[in-house]
Amino acid sequence: GAVVSQHPSWVICKSGTSVKIECRSLDFQATTMFWYRQFPKQSLMLMATSNEGSKATYEQGVEKDKFLINHASLTLSTLTVTSAHPEDSSFYICSAPTSQAYEQYFGPGTRLTVT
Amino acid sequence: GQNIDQPTEMTATEGAIVQINCTYQTSGFNGLFWYQQHAGEAPTFLSYNVLDGLEEKGRFSSFLSRSKGYSYLLLKELQMKDSASYLCACMDSNYQLIWGAGTKLIIKP
Repeated sequence: GAVVSQHPSWVICKSGTSVKIECRSLDFQATTMFWYRQFPKQSLMLMATSNEGSKATYEQGVEKDKFLINHASLTLSTLTVTSAHPEDSSFYICSAPTSQAYEQYFGPGTRLTVT
Repeated sequence: GQNIDQPTEMTATEGAIVQINCTYQTSGFNGLFWYQQHAGEAPTFLSYNVLDGLEEKGRFSSFLSRSKGYSYLLLKELQMKDSASYLCACMDSNYQLIWGAGTKLIIKP
């Protein structure tokens, strides 16, 4: 199946700093990528849809100025958590659909801890 | 509104069969997915149903009834490694996935 990678797999940062998370489709092109956040024992929450060459679409309640998304190429989307706070600590997962709309592959996730 | 319901937790015995149910209400319907998620890992795709009926794939089967807004995931010959959360998700008319909260499956020897 298709492969999606994420980097880093885990990161610890201090409150007030910014963290960038990369999501790459390794063997296919993805014009769209999805960013999710998952808190412990909860389901996935869609944060935003990343669109190559255009602005991301954010879900209601997600601050676009805090969670910056850039989809600069057909294989790379980045999520930057700006001015991170401890409540931003979570598991961040990206996914990308392949040419068949229903097939969506997930990256391995990035665990962010803000101290 | 859009809603996906599935049990929070289930327990089953190694070697047995377990059925995890999912009911849904969405704006439009473009298929229902089941994903498996082990603790601390990303979800992995198990199945996709868009037409009524049963889809079998090895030890796992998934069933869909669109008229009832209902699906189930059937796991046979349970193994300890099947202990995980099982997420039900529907794709709505905008091709967005609406996720259930997941069912934590505990397998006992």
